[in-house]
Amino acid sequence: EIVLTQSPGTLSLSPGERATLSCRASQSVSSSYLAWYQQKPGLAPRLLIYGSSSRATGIPDRFSGSGSGTDFTLTISRLEPEDFAVYYCQQHATSPLTFGPGTKVDIK
Amino acid sequence: EMQLVESGGGLVQPGGSLRLSCAASGFTFSTSRMKWVRQAPGKGLEWVSDIGSSGGSIYYADSVKGRFSISRDNAKNSLYLQMNSLRAEDTAVYYCARGFDYDGLTGWGRACDIWGQGTMVTVSS
Repeated sequence: EIVLTQSPGTLSLSPGERATLSCRASQSVSSSYLAWYQQKPGLAPRLLIYGSSSRATGIPDRFSGSGSGTDFTLTISRLEPEDFAVYYCQQHATSPLTFGPGTKVDIK
Repeated sequence: EMQLVESGGGLVQPGGSLRLSCAASGFTFSTSRMKWVRQAPGKGLEWVSDIGSSGGSIYYADSVKGRFSISRDNAKNSLYLQMNSLRAEDTAVYYCARGFDYDGLTGWGRACDIWGQGTMVTVSS
């Protein structure tokens, strides 16, 4: 099983600041099979990034993904008030499909 | 509008059974891989099961294998999850989701691009 570790657990930032979220895999993952999701309280997750760097439909360009192998990054260039949420990475290369434990981005 | 709507959740005793349903609309359900993902209260996301577009290519997480069964009815645009021998640790919000196809993918694993609102399953005596 591929274990995904996300850091930091919580990121406290102000609107307008840059957020950098990390996702590290226990073994190499093809970049085509790494996704990022955003989840707000009481709501379903929303796909942000697929294929490690492609934005899903309707996702603003302040969200970007990068990385390869075992290290992947989600960057939010300038935080908007609606971006404060929990972010999960997911690998769908091998079974079982796994998610990271999440990074909470909250308001400083 | 592409939409998934789950139903069938509720309170069930340990050892009991429950059948979840997911109604799809706004996209071609019959050509879409579908999945169930759950989230225990205050916890992260856990993949539960996957089913291919024609009802084959079925996979389960080890935590539910032998107890849960995924199925679909393409004529009714519906996905199901039959849950038997339920345990307290199965308590969670259960989401159905669509597998997202894009260029460059092989195998069956997919990210999830459409999610339902979720249905709560509580296993407790």
